[in-house]
Amino acid sequence: QKEVEQDPGPLSVPEGAIVSLNCTYSNSAFQYFMWYRQYSRKGPELLMYTYSSGNKEDGRFTAQVDKSSKYISLFIRDSQPSDSATYLCAMKRAAGNKLTFGGGTRVLVKP
Amino acid sequence: EAGVAQSPRYKIIEKRQSVAFWCNPISGHATLYWYQQILGQGPKLLIQFQNNGVVDDSQLPKDRFSAERLKGVDSTLKIQPAKLEDSAVYLCASSLRAWSVSNTGELFFGEGSRLTVL
Repeated sequence: QKEVEQDPGPLSVPEGAIVSLNCTYSNSAFQYFMWYRQYSRKGPELLMYTYSSGNKEDGRFTAQVDKSSKYISLFIRDSQPSDSATYLCAMKRAAGNKLTFGGGTRVLVKP
Repeated sequence: EAGVAQSPRYKIIEKRQSVAFWCNPISGHATLYWYQQILGQGPKLLIQFQNNGVVDDSQLPKDRFSAERLKGVDSTLKIQPAKLEDSAVYLCASSLRAWSVSNTGELFFGEGSRLTVL
């Protein structure tokens, strides 16, 4: 069983719709949670970073963490074609910088 | 500010041949990582350097993979001999702070080196 599970998609939505992404994890030692966006043939770039359970909002993006359920989510409001990419969740223990990534969800936003 | 530089961008080799990838991190970044990303999967950490010392190489297949960061700046990842299953994108990333201090999780990735083993 993988430590971090993520639906590979693809997830296809019309422009303007809300995109809902999620990851589940099995290791309760993970304390820090991140979402990275990866465009085709590019390296991942950090979108959101959260610590502890709860919500964090940044513009059109909202990240949620539910540690009791070992479940994290990312919501993208008013989706744009430029949001078409693969979204990777990543997690980290309290110490160190080692990230454990999910497999990524491919998102397609159609005009 | 210049980003993480990697070369070559693409490499095609036959199995049992060798290959080397180069990475130059963002200036001043003490921590450097090599990740392997197989098609359709998330990146998997191969090795982490703090300056020129190895912090974590637990997932590096040491019988065929080697990496060095001799002067604490740029780094080279080598595969010898390559196997078909080594076909992947090799991502280099760097972060500013020491591994035991930074908790923001912000790694800066290069565009990757895509390896195809035939």
